Amino acid sequence: AQSVTQPDIHITVSEGASLELRCNYSYGATPYLFWYVQSPGQGLQLLLKYFSGDTLVQGIKGFEAEFKRSQSSFNLRKPSVHWSDAAEYFCAVGTISGGYNKLIFGAGTRLAVHP
Amino acid sequence: SQTIHQWPATLVQPVGSPLSLECTVEGTSNPNLYWYRQAAGRGLQLLFYSVGIGQISSEVPQNLSASRPQDRQFILSSKKLLLSDSGFYLCAWSRQGASNEQFFGPGTRLTVL
Repeated sequence: AQSVTQPDIHITVSEGASLELRCNYSYGATPYLFWYVQSPGQGLQLLLKYFSGDTLVQGIKGFEAEFKRSQSSFNLRKPSVHWSDAAEYFCAVGTISGGYNKLIFGAGTRLAVHP
Repeated sequence: SQTIHQWPATLVQPVGSPLSLECTVEGTSNPNLYWYRQAAGRGLQLLFYSVGIGQISSEVPQNLSASRPQDRQFILSSKKLLLSDSGFYLCAWSRQGASNEQFFGPGTRLTVL
């Protein structure tokens, strides 16, 4: 069965420090992979997506993610975190199920940023 | 451009009362539509999805139902709310195909007392 694991429930970093959020997936075919961000009380905003091609994908707000098939991972990175990046981050894999596109989400990683 | 609306933004309802949450999408046609629930401190649980008018599929058995009376309208309902129905409800839309991302609405915070 398809699944997504985000091993870190909470992460705290200092402003200006680098960030890496981990995501591992389980999916039999070529995965479509997504990272979303959710600010408190808000909906989810797409940060970036991987469909095929270059395994390093660039997203909005200075984020990037690298797809590593051998490790079944799609980790999110940012070289220098800003206080406004404090939010919850969700990794997801897209699948076809019953003729529609379905997203399977990880449990999320909550990011806190120290000044 | 496409936009997705949800209302109400917040709702406080007594146990046993009915529920109706509405979601509408603008700027696209024949979208796939989704209802998710996000309980406090937990991830997203897909409740329902729809690939067309009147076509509803449920992911998990529950106290809720969904309807799609128009192409870009998706409604989440309950006849009698339970305490466990409290949570943050998110509507989303996507185009056809597994490669297409889902776009989320602002959500409705439901508290059942």
